[in-house]
Amino acid sequence: QVQLQESGPGLVKPSETLSLTCTVSGVSISSSYWSWIRQPPGKGLEWVGDIYHSGTTNYNPSLKSRVTISVDTSKNQFSLNLSSVTAADTAVYYCATEGTYAGAFDIWGQGTMVTVSS
Amino acid sequence: QSALTQPASVSGSPGQSVTISCTGTSSDVGGYNYVSWYQQHPGKAPKLMIYDVSKRPSGVSNRFSGSKSGNTASLTISGLQAEDEADYYCSSYPSSSTLIWVFGGGTKLTVL
Repeated sequence: QVQLQESGPGLVKPSETLSLTCTVSGVSISSSYWSWIRQPPGKGLEWVGDIYHSGTTNYNPSLKSRVTISVDTSKNQFSLNLSSVTAADTAVYYCATEGTYAGAFDIWGQGTMVTVSS
Repeated sequence: QSALTQPASVSGSPGQSVTISCTGTSSDVGGYNYVSWYQQHPGKAPKLMIYDVSKRPSGVSNRFSGSKSGNTASLTISGLQAEDEADYYCSSYPSSSTLIWVFGGGTKLTVL
């Protein structure tokens, strides 16, 4: 079965770059779009952006100037870089994808908490 | 892109039915039949409950149903059970023009 696993530092200093990786197992990453979604503590879900295996990306306009999502097909992974972070970027970051059901996120990683603090 | 609008909270007693609304625009909810609903328990990842406005993924109880009228989608949970207490989020598949996914602000369901 398809599984997603986020990894990366749990603590990032203000003004630095947040970097996370999502490892995909059970399916080739060359089969779908792959998204990052975040959730600040006590708040709702926010779509950050997505990437296709070809490298085509789409980003949330509110984050577009600071976000880069990339894919490594050889490792079956995709990554998120968010630059110039502030406390407002503190959140649980999930990777997710449309699996069986197109037009919806039916496969999610467990999420990883990232805190921005000095 | 504005988030979809959901009520902050709803509540119901065991056995009752509750409905959660999700209001968007003709560019998202109203324009496409790609509305989905997610259930999230504390500390857990969201779980897909409804896709394509009204379809249930395999394994999801038939107590959960979805519908849409104009720019507003709805999730109805019938025969409320204690385990249904959770946060619920709606989402709309990106339009071909924006390619941006949007989520609702979330609704806290309390089972009294």
